[in-house]
Amino acid sequence: AQTVTQSQPEMSVQEAETVTLSCTYDTSENNYYLFWYKQPPSRQMILVIRQEAYKQQNATENRFSVNFQKAAKSFSLKISDSQLGDTAMYFCAFMKHRGGSEKLVFGKGTKLTVNP
Amino acid sequence: DTEVTQTPKHLVMGMTNKKSLKCEQHMGHRAMYWYKQKAKKPPELMFVYSYEKLSINESVPSRFSPECPNSSLLNLHLHALQPEDSALYLCASSQGLGGAGLGELFFGEGSRLTVL
Repeated sequence: AQTVTQSQPEMSVQEAETVTLSCTYDTSENNYYLFWYKQPPSRQMILVIRQEAYKQQNATENRFSVNFQKAAKSFSLKISDSQLGDTAMYFCAFMKHRGGSEKLVFGKGTKLTVNP
Repeated sequence: DTEVTQTPKHLVMGMTNKKSLKCEQHMGHRAMYWYKQKAKKPPELMFVYSYEKLSINESVPSRFSPECPNSSLLNLHLHALQPEDSALYLCASSQGLGGAGLGELFFGEGSRLTVL
């Protein structure tokens, strides 16, 4: 079974600074997907960024980038130029690359607070 | 339209009541999901519908009964619930199992259920 571990229950950062959220996972699969989802207070969860395991290049989406280390089974999220709107719960998630089942395994989440 | 709409936003029910949660999307997505989320916890998958057929049931008690009347609608019928079933129930949709946008789920804001 796959497991996803987020070792930082809470983090805080000053506006405009950079913060990195950690995620490690355990799997015997070779092909899979990794995700970071963001859940702002009282708002819906949205996808921040996705990484395919077969791609060596780290995914980026504007101020969000990942450091994907397949051998180490590590998938951290870097948020640059943090904004107040980045305050949210961040969930790391894993999914097997297998048709017919789209089951996400979530980590326990990291609560990020961006301070003015 | 990239919205998943859930109704009601809040629901309070007794243990003998029968109620339903509703979810609607008009993005042409062919997979729809029910998740349960307790406070400060990650979402837990309950059910997945793919092309209007139930494809995943995560051993959910029978007091929760899902229904997918058509590709845009998803219901969760509730009967004889327990106080520990109180949680945020999230609906999500995706393009389709194994298809493009793999793993990208679009979530609704949730229905907050309280069982007395």
